[in-house]
Amino acid sequence: KNEVEQSPQNLTAQEGEFITINCSYSVGISALHWLQQHPGGGIVSLFMLSSGKKKHGRLIATINIQEKHSSLHITASHPRDSAVYICAATSGNTGKLIFGQGTTLQVKP
Amino acid sequence: KAGVTQTPRYLIKTRGQQVTLSCSPISGHRSVSWYQQTPGQGLQFLFEYFSETQRNKGNFPGRFSGRQFSNSRSEMNVSTLELGDSALYLCASSSGGAGGAFFGQGTRLTVV
Repeated sequence: KNEVEQSPQNLTAQEGEFITINCSYSVGISALHWLQQHPGGGIVSLFMLSSGKKKHGRLIATINIQEKHSSLHITASHPRDSAVYICAATSGNTGKLIFGQGTTLQVKP
Repeated sequence: KAGVTQTPRYLIKTRGQQVTLSCSPISGHRSVSWYQQTPGQGLQFLFEYFSETQRNKGNFPGRFSGRQFSNSRSEMNVSTLELGDSALYLCASSSGGAGGAFFGQGTRLTVV
């Protein structure tokens, strides 16, 4: 079993829909990252969380430390949100990231 | 603040050759981590350098090596290239503590 698990692996949505991507981890973490990668593109860091909730525009990330679970929500989804979303955990005071398998999101107009 | 800079962006090498990739972190960041991304294996951790010392190492053969300079710039080297080394190589910089990781655009290596 991977230390960081994401679901679903693939997600297709219609424009305007509310989207949730889930991430569960089995290791003790110091931070949980949500990353975005467009096809053929580099990786952009969306959020880093160690507790609670963060919001940036239409994106919301939450984390429940006790349940070892994080979610990424996209409100009013748009075709430009189509990308791979990756959660990654850091453990301890290091820069090493442990990655989930990624969720491929396609938002159709 | 300038972002994380990786050079070169694209590289084509022949089997058996060696290659050196460079990563310049965000100013003030002392941690640089390297990752390999392939379609089959996803993102895998190669190693992390902090203040010129390798702090963590992933499960890659000894052909993969790295170093970090006093200005925090890091290089990774792959010797005796194999076709399977074709991948996107990403570096990420951080302060090394609880700060976030910032990624470079990556170097796409193709081994023919």
